Amino acid sequence: GENVEQHPSTLSVQEGDSAVIKCTYSDSASNYFPWYKQELGKRPQLIIDIRSNVGEKKDQRIAVTLNKTAKHFSLHITETQPEDSAVYFCTAVNTGGFKTIFGAGTRLFVKA
Amino acid sequence: EAGVAQSPRYKIIEKRQSVAFWCNPISGHATLYWYQQILGQGPKLLIQFQNNGVVDDSQLPKDRFSAERLKGVDSTLKIQPAKLEDSAVYLCASSSAGAETQYFGPGTRLLVL
Repeated sequence: GENVEQHPSTLSVQEGDSAVIKCTYSDSASNYFPWYKQELGKRPQLIIDIRSNVGEKKDQRIAVTLNKTAKHFSLHITETQPEDSAVYFCTAVNTGGFKTIFGAGTRLFVKA
Repeated sequence: EAGVAQSPRYKIIEKRQSVAFWCNPISGHATLYWYQQILGQGPKLLIQFQNNGVVDDSQLPKDRFSAERLKGVDSTLKIQPAKLEDSAVYLCASSSAGAETQYFGPGTRLLVL
């Protein structure tokens, strides 16, 4: 079946450094790629998303890139802060086929 | 705007017992999702409703799990009988259109002993 691979599973960075999380999807019909942040014991919350007709999107310290040919998309967090520590999930959505697949998650630790 | 509501927040049962979870989506959201999130893993979609119709239940263990959304608004997810491996957080989410941005409820944490 279709799947989304996410790497790394764990990422530890020093405060102020950048963090990059990479995902690969298999369903070529995926056309919407949201990223969710889940803090310990809380619900996933959308932090940024990108659609298939866009290659890059930025929102303050967070940016997402998409390479449809390679079926890769990535999350970039710059100037990391301790409050960025959480689990991040990439998602590939086929809006026409009503298919949503989450990656396994990346646990980000930002050390002060 | 009120968020997605779920109840109960926590449930402890013994294996082979039955349990039901309730979800009320954001008002006006046509699409409702139930996910199972096992500790340390990403959410796994169990079932997706568009209004009161099922559009995807391919990963729902239908021998023990069932879900309904009779009036196209709130939904219930039932497990009967429960197994130890059903211990997880059950998340409900809703979106205003098919498979667009999803808003999650607080989840129901289930422990099966």
